[in-house]
Amino acid sequence: QSALTQPASVSGSPGQSITISCTGTSSDVGGYNYVSWYQQHPGKAPKLMIYDVSNRPSGVSNRFSGSKSGNTASLTISGLQAEDEADYYCSSYTSSSYVFGTGTKVTVL
Amino acid sequence: QVTLRESGPALVKPTQTLTLTCTFSGFSLSTSGMCVSWIRQPPGKALEWLARIDWDDDKYYSTSLKTRLTISKDTSKNQVVLTMTNMDPVDTATYYCARIPISSGIPGGYDYWGQGTLVTVSS
Repeated sequence: QSALTQPASVSGSPGQSITISCTGTSSDVGGYNYVSWYQQHPGKAPKLMIYDVSNRPSGVSNRFSGSKSGNTASLTISGLQAEDEADYYCSSYTSSSYVFGTGTKVTVL
Repeated sequence: QVTLRESGPALVKPTQTLTLTCTFSGFSLSTSGMCVSWIRQPPGKALEWLARIDWDDDKYYSTSLKTRLTISKDTSKNQVVLTMTNMDPVDTATYYCARIPISSGIPGGYDYWGQGTLVTVSS
C-alpha cells in the first residue's frame, strides 16, 4: 500500500488560511469517507484533528476543517496561529487496513 | 480518562523478535466497536500503520508486513501485544498504540494515543 501524497511543507502568516492536500487513489481516499487528519508536535504523539473527512472531535478548534473531492482530501487551517506550527498527517481506511500520508510541515511565518 | 502506554525493549538485535505491550485504561476491548492499532514512525519520517485488533478478536495487518506481525489481546489485563519477527535496522522507530472506535461499522479516527516507545535495532 503506497503512502498518500502530501506536500512536504506549507507556510502562512498568522491570521491567514492554509490548505494541506492529501492525494490517494480510488482504493483509499476516493473509495471511502474515512479520512482523518493528525497534528504532531516535535517529540509528541499525534493528535486527532479531523475524522471521517470533515468531523471534528470534541475540543478541537473550529479553525480546523476537512473536505474531500475525488481522490484528494484537504485540511484547512483558518486564522493560523503560532501553536499550529507542527507536522500534519492524513490517513485513510483502505480495504481492512489503513494508510498514512507522507506528512506536511506547517510553518507559521 | 482514556490512557494507553507502550512498553518493551529499547534495543533489539537484528533477526530477533520484538514484543511490545500496550496497556490501556478508561475503556474495555470487550466493548463492541472498540479497536486498538499499532502504528510506527522511523526517526524523522512519516507514520506507518501496522496492525489492528477489534473487540471481537478480528485482526488486520499491513499488507507489506503481515508475514512478520502478530497482534493479540488480553481483555482481562487491558493489554494488546504486538510481535514482529526478524527485526532489521530499518525497523528502528517509535512504536505507538492507539485506540479507534467503530460506530455502526464506521471507523472514526485514532482518538487516543500512547506516548510511544523508541525501539532501536542494532547489533
